[in-house]
Amino acid sequence: EAGVTQFPSHSVIEKGQTVTLRCDPISGHDNLYWYRRVMGKEIKFLLHFVKESKQDESGMPNNRFLAERTGGTYSTLKVQPAELEDSGVYFCASSRRGSLGSSYNSPLHFGNGTRLTVT
Amino acid sequence: AQSVTQLDSHVSVSEGTPVLLRCNYSSSYSPSLFWYVQHPNKGLQLLLKYTSAATLVKGINGFEAEFKKSETSFHLTKPSAHMSDAAEYFCVVRTDTGRRALTFGSGTRLQVQP
Repeated sequence: EAGVTQFPSHSVIEKGQTVTLRCDPISGHDNLYWYRRVMGKEIKFLLHFVKESKQDESGMPNNRFLAERTGGTYSTLKVQPAELEDSGVYFCASSRRGSLGSSYNSPLHFGNGTRLTVT
Repeated sequence: AQSVTQLDSHVSVSEGTPVLLRCNYSSSYSPSLFWYVQHPNKGLQLLLKYTSAATLVKGINGFEAEFKKSETSFHLTKPSAHMSDAAEYFCVVRTDTGRRALTFGSGTRLQVQP
C-alpha cells in the first residue's frame, strides 16, 4: 500500500506569509494526526482527526494554525500568518480505526514530514 | 500526565558491538510504549511496541526492548550494531485514557563507527 504522503517536502517563507501543508493518509485510515518538531525540541502532538471530525486539537499552539480534513480524506494545515517560531518539521500520521478493545494498538504510519523554514 | 525521558541525546558505538538506548517513562495509567526510528529525510518508522502483553518485546531489524514497571524503564537494545542502524530513535508513550496522542522523548541519535 502507498504510505502517508506529505506536500511539500520543504517550504521556505517569510514571516507574515501564509503556508499550507498537505497530508494524504493511507487509504482507509480514519485516524489522521499532525505532529511537529520545532528545532531542538521534542516532537509534539498538534491534533487528531477521526474522518472529518476533530477528535482532539489540544496541541494546536494558537489560532494562527488551522487544520481541515474535508471529506475525511486528505488534510491541510494552514499557518497564517507564519512566525519565526513556527519553523520546524511537521509530520502527519494515519492509522486504522480499530475495534473498541484494540483501538489503542493500531500502529501509526508517519509521512516523511514537511520542513518549514520561516525567515 | 505522562512523560518520557531519553537519557542520552547521542550514543556512539562500533559496528558489531551492542546497542543500548535508555528510556524512562512516567504515566498515571497503564501505558503503551513504543520505539520509533527516523533515518535522515525519512518518516518515523515503528520499531516495536509494548501493550501490556509480554514484557520483552521484539521488533524489526534485531531490536528488542524490555518493559520494567518497577524501574519505569523501556530500554532499547540490539546485540550487534550495523552501519544501517545509524539514525535517531524516539521512545514514545501513550496512555489508555481516551486521548490517543503520543508523547515523544527528545530522541537519541545513534552513530555507528566502522
